[in-house]
Amino acid sequence: NAGVMQNPRHLVRRRGQEARLRCSPMKGHSHVYWYRQLPEEGLKFMVYLQKENIIDESGMPKERFSAEFPKEGPSILRIQQVVRGDSAAYFCASSPPLVETQYFGPGTRLLVL
Amino acid sequence: SQKIEQNSEALNIQEGKTATLTCNYTNYSPAYLQWYRQDPGRGPVFLLLIRENEKEKRKERLKVTFDTTLKQSLFHITASQPADSATYLCALDIGAGANNLFFGTGTRLTVIP
Repeated sequence: NAGVMQNPRHLVRRRGQEARLRCSPMKGHSHVYWYRQLPEEGLKFMVYLQKENIIDESGMPKERFSAEFPKEGPSILRIQQVVRGDSAAYFCASSPPLVETQYFGPGTRLLVL
Repeated sequence: SQKIEQNSEALNIQEGKTATLTCNYTNYSPAYLQWYRQDPGRGPVFLLLIRENEKEKRKERLKVTFDTTLKQSLFHITASQPADSATYLCALDIGAGANNLFFGTGTRLTVIP
């Protein structure tokens, strides 16, 4: 059973471009979470999704950020018009229903020039 | 607002000794608390979960305690080894049935041979 997969592992964007981060949860996991980790800071919750539904997006900035988890395919975290402050490591985690433990992917390191 | 503090940013101990990491929280009552390990450039890896009605949990050389009166969890690694060197994160659920986690900033443990 493959673990949580994220791609790309590293992404470089110029200010104003769009960043698309992909996450494939573990097999059998229907819950996906996105977190952001800034240098020297802790992981900050962004959004929690189940298939085709956003359950909690309280940690996600209201503008430029969006997330989806379609019926087929990976979960996507999309950042439009990136700014330097978006540079961070973005981690995806997944879990099966009714299980509190989260399984994390290796992260995508976004660098905005 | 919720606040989680982990005792120190960095902790150095001698190989073979017991490492003790502290996680204190304020302003809310989590249903459970989790400990994760994070190595540089990687995603967090789940270690242990302890519920509010449990005092102690063990797994091999790891032990976690949870004192809901003191609002504190202690994480112990006995017979520490250089391979235990990593950043250790505590995480709490935010309550109200939500599944997303609230993380501390972590303690970077170095076990010196």
